[in-house]
Amino acid sequence: EDQVTQSPEALRLQEGESSSLNCSYTVSGLRGLFWYRQDPGKGPEFLFTLYSAGEEKEKERLKATLTKKESFLHITAPKPEDSATYLCAVLPKGGATNKLIFGTGTLLAVQP
Amino acid sequence: SAVISQKPSRDICQRGTSLTIQCQVDSQVTMMFWYRQQPGQSLTLIATANQGSEATYESGFVIDKFPISRPNLTFSTLTVSNMSPEDSSIYLCSVEGVGVRLEGVPDTQYFGPGTRLTVL
Repeated sequence: EDQVTQSPEALRLQEGESSSLNCSYTVSGLRGLFWYRQDPGKGPEFLFTLYSAGEEKEKERLKATLTKKESFLHITAPKPEDSATYLCAVLPKGGATNKLIFGTGTLLAVQP
Repeated sequence: SAVISQKPSRDICQRGTSLTIQCQVDSQVTMMFWYRQQPGQSLTLIATANQGSEATYESGFVIDKFPISRPNLTFSTLTVSNMSPEDSSIYLCSVEGVGVRLEGVPDTQYFGPGTRLTVL
């Protein structure tokens, strides 16, 4: 069964304290891995799509990497405005539709 | 990127009633997706809606409970029927990005702001 696990469930950082969020996945085949940011009361906001192991993408203080079994979202020198829930989703091979399978997310709190 | 709006943004409903959620996209899209996000849980796909055909439901979701309409390429509705407190959740619609890589993999899925439903 296709599965996505995110860790930690919650993370509290001081402003400027870099860290990484983990997304491990078990799928029969990976077509794509997606990272989203979700603020309270809002829909998920797209951050990155990664397609193959070794791929990396960056946006401001965020950098996403992908291996054959997991993805990391590295946050460098975070600011309070980076506080949000970060969601990881995979698009497995097979199936009639492009169905995303989501993890439960990591709740990030950055304190000034 | 696609701009998606949903109505209502939130509602409080009584047990046994039904609520219809609207999703409007600012561009024409082939497929629209409806997700549910229960408190403390991940997003779960309810169904995929193609214009001009019946929606495809995921395991555990049935048309009688969650009827979907897709009258055109920019609009869809999801109805939550005969509601119970277990239906309290955030309901989200999404569409695929227009950029498509090889093998039909979309560059992303964009999400609407969600409808927060509370059933008493």
